[in-house]
Amino acid sequence: QKEVEQNSGPLSVPEGAIASLNCTYSDRGSQSFFWYRQYSGKSPELIMFIYSNGDKEDGRFTAQLNKASQYVSLLIRDSQPSDSATYLCAVKDPHDKVIFGPGTSLSVIP
Amino acid sequence: ETGVTQSPTHLIKTRGQQVTLRCSSQSGHNTVSWYQQALGQGPQFIFQYYREEENGRGNFPPRFSGLQFPNYSSELNVNALELDDSALYLCASSLAGGWLEQFFGPGTRLTVL
Repeated sequence: QKEVEQNSGPLSVPEGAIASLNCTYSDRGSQSFFWYRQYSGKSPELIMFIYSNGDKEDGRFTAQLNKASQYVSLLIRDSQPSDSATYLCAVKDPHDKVIFGPGTSLSVIP
Repeated sequence: ETGVTQSPTHLIKTRGQQVTLRCSSQSGHNTVSWYQQALGQGPQFIFQYYREEENGRGNFPPRFSGLQFPNYSSELNVNALELDDSALYLCASSLAGGWLEQFFGPGTRLTVL
């Protein structure tokens, strides 16, 4: 069964620190990888997507992909209290199906 | 905000009833996926529609069914509602065959009593 796994958390970091969120996936044929942020009671909001091995940076966010290890991560630099949310890792398989992990709850402490 | 809309926003039903949820996709998108998100969990894939045909289904019983219309909007129908069907139902639109990501609507909160 195709799976996407994340640490459920909660992950707590002090304001200004780096938050590191991790995700592993089981389907080696997966082609694209997404990080969504979801505030309580709201729908998921796309933060970043990555297709190629290596790092991709966008402002305070960096996504890292290692297809050989079937691992994708999200780093949030200079964490702010407004970053407190649940972060969902999602993986698109070869059939265009997007499978979500259970999410990691992040709390940034002022 | 994305261009994906859903209706209604909230809905309360009783066990055994039927419900229809609606989704309008973002302009230019031809694929709609439906997800069920229970409290504290990640979205679970229900099914996907592409050009009015079901294009893949998750682990949901046949009482979950759907439609996609020529304008790419979509409906999710759930028959014989059960208490465990209480969840946030999300639709997401995307462009099939490309690398483009999918965008979510605001969701419909369904409560089954």
